[in-house]
Amino acid sequence: GENVEQHPSTLSVQEGDSAVIKCTYSDSASNYFPWYKQELGKRPQLIIDIRSNVGEKKDQRIAVTLNKTAKHFSLHITETQPEDSAVYFCAADSSNTGKLIFGQGTTLQVKP
Amino acid sequence: NAGVMQNPRHLVRRRGQEARLRCSPMKGHSHVYWYRQLPEEGLKFMVYLQKENIIDESGMPKERFSAEFPKEGPSILRIQQVVRGDSAAYFCASSPSTQGGAGELFFGEGSRLTVL
Repeated sequence: GENVEQHPSTLSVQEGDSAVIKCTYSDSASNYFPWYKQELGKRPQLIIDIRSNVGEKKDQRIAVTLNKTAKHFSLHITETQPEDSAVYFCAADSSNTGKLIFGQGTTLQVKP
Repeated sequence: NAGVMQNPRHLVRRRGQEARLRCSPMKGHSHVYWYRQLPEEGLKFMVYLQKENIIDESGMPKERFSAEFPKEGPSILRIQQVVRGDSAAYFCASSPSTQGGAGELFFGEGSRLTVL
């Protein structure tokens, strides 16, 4: 089955800097890769997603890149703000079943 | 359109008791997923259900755990004879369809189970 690895587990940046979180996946049949943001004690919420027919997608300060050959995808946050502080999870679908397998999460801290 | 509704939000049980967690998906959504999140860990897939059918239960522990999504009413995750290791946040998510592949999952606020 699908296995998703996420790095780093913690990331601390200064306000205004960029943050990059990386994930690798094992199932070459996966074709949907979302990113979720979870604030403390809250539910995970989708912030951006990408499908395998696209190499990059951008939404304001957030971008995701996908390398299907290498089976890895990354989240890029530019001009970070304190409210970006949260846990970020990557995920990959498992063999087109609709089931999402999540990475271990990255705790991002943006220092003012 | 109300989001995914989970209850109870917090549940305390003693070892050996039963825990029942309920999830009502978003209106129009027919697919329900349960995930478990241990403190400071990721979201572990447990089970994927459609109305009256278990599609994938590969993440469910073999004993004490069961899930259902009846024709009428919410999906229920049931944990029998709870142990301390069952203490976690249990998140339910729903999606409208998986036709054409996976799509966004909409998560509820979670049910936090504490086993004393």
